[in-house]
Amino acid sequence: DAGVTQSPTHLIKTRGQQVTLRCSPKSGHDTVSWYQQALGQGPQFIFQYYEEEERQRGNFPDRFSGHQFPNYSSELNVNALLLGDSALYLCASSLGPPSYNEQFFGPGTRLTVL
Amino acid sequence: GDSVTQMEGPVTLSEEAFLTINCTYTATGYPSLFWYVQYPGEGLQLLLKATKADDKGSNKGFEATYRKETTSFHLEKGSVQVSDSAVYFCALSDLISNQFYFGTGTSLTVIP
Repeated sequence: DAGVTQSPTHLIKTRGQQVTLRCSPKSGHDTVSWYQQALGQGPQFIFQYYEEEERQRGNFPDRFSGHQFPNYSSELNVNALLLGDSALYLCASSLGPPSYNEQFFGPGTRLTVL
Repeated sequence: GDSVTQMEGPVTLSEEAFLTINCTYTATGYPSLFWYVQYPGEGLQLLLKATKADDKGSNKGFEATYRKETTSFHLEKGSVQVSDSAVYFCALSDLISNQFYFGTGTSLTVIP
C-alpha cells in the first residue's frame, strides 16, 4: 500500500498564474481533505471531498477550488496566485469522516509563488 | 470559532526527561481532540486521540487526557528518547462539520 501520494513534490509559479495539485488517497479511502501549511504554522483546513462533492470548506477564498474523481483521487486548483499562497499543501485521506476515522497525510506539495 | 492554542517551542530535553506540551482549545460543541506528530522528513501522522471528556488517549508511551473543565489536552511522556525528536501538533475536530483545527506545532529535540 503506497499510502497517500501527492504530485508534484515542488512547484514554482509566478503571481497571477494558476496551479493544480494532485492527490491519490490511501487504498480504500473515500474522503479527501486538503490543508495549507505556511512555514512555521499548523495546517489550515481548505476543504473536504466525499462522493465527488465538496462537503466542508474552511475560510479560503473562491480562488481555491477542487475536484474529486470517481476513483477518489482529488485535485486542488488555485487561481490568480498571490505571494501569500506560498506554502506546503497537504492532502489527507480517510474512510469516512476524519473526525471518527483516522486520516492519513501525504508528504505534501511545496508551492512557491514568485 | 473553534481554535487550538499550543505551547510554543522549541523544546529541548535530555533523554529520559519528563515531557509536557500544553494544549488548550476553544470549541462551541464537543469536539474530538488529537495529537499529531511529524518526524523529520516524514508526513504528519496520528499519535493519539480522545473523543469525549475524561477520555485518555495513549500511544508509544505518550498520553493526553481530554479535560473539559479546563478545555485542555496536554501531551505527556514520562521518559523521552532521542527518537521522539519531532514536531507535535495538537488538533481538534468539530464533529458536526468534520473540520480540523490545528495548533501551530511544538518542536521537540531530545539530546542524548
